[in-house]
Amino acid sequence: QSVLTQPPSASGTPGQRVTISCSGSSSNIGNNYVYWYQQLPGTAPKLLIYRNNQRPSGVPDRFSGSKSGASASLAISGLRSEDEADYYCAAWDDSLSGLWVFGGGTKLTVL
Amino acid sequence: EVRLVESGGGLVQPGGSLRLSCAASGFTFSSYAMSWVRQAPGKGLEWVSAISGSGGSTYYADSVKGRFTVSRDNSKNTLYLQMNSLRAEDTAVYYCAKGAAFTPRDAFDIWGQGTMVTVSS
Repeated sequence: QSVLTQPPSASGTPGQRVTISCSGSSSNIGNNYVYWYQQLPGTAPKLLIYRNNQRPSGVPDRFSGSKSGASASLAISGLRSEDEADYYCAAWDDSLSGLWVFGGGTKLTVL
Repeated sequence: EVRLVESGGGLVQPGGSLRLSCAASGFTFSSYAMSWVRQAPGKGLEWVSAISGSGGSTYYADSVKGRFTVSRDNSKNTLYLQMNSLRAEDTAVYYCAKGAAFTPRDAFDIWGQGTMVTVSS
């Protein structure tokens, strides 16, 4: 059971817009930044969104992040076949001694 | 080019020990926190441990606290994870990840390719 809650799967057709949700609590998402990672099949994760809504250089502006209270979401517009991957949200958690928590991951299928 | 290369994975019996290494290049190693993140076969990501840029602060997931020790040698640009009392549930690909800041509270902006650890008799 992951501390952050994501839907296990999502899907869309090429060109569509899809969103992936991530729900947490006041000790993590509510009081800290949210990060999103993309993991293409058979590869290491890659930073996709940092500090709620910032894109690292090289990440297309089709990817966007937002946060409201203790929840966050990742939106992918103009869906492409190469977007088929696992997506993870993450946040620092202030409980106890401090630690990172991840969502369980969402497998995105491009139909 | 910023690069992280893990090594040291392998097959170990339950109760055994293993030390993972992560060689870093292409950035000022001592200026950034580093973390270990693992992924069990077919499962999601699980943060394991983090260490500040100086090595003065360390953090552990409850699942490994007291068994794993993270350290770094800034003169060798290398991160380590000493894993003792290994259990079957520690079986995973272990990724080394660079933090985006001196403290561990910022993004993992660069990841290594991972090294597989299998705990089995």
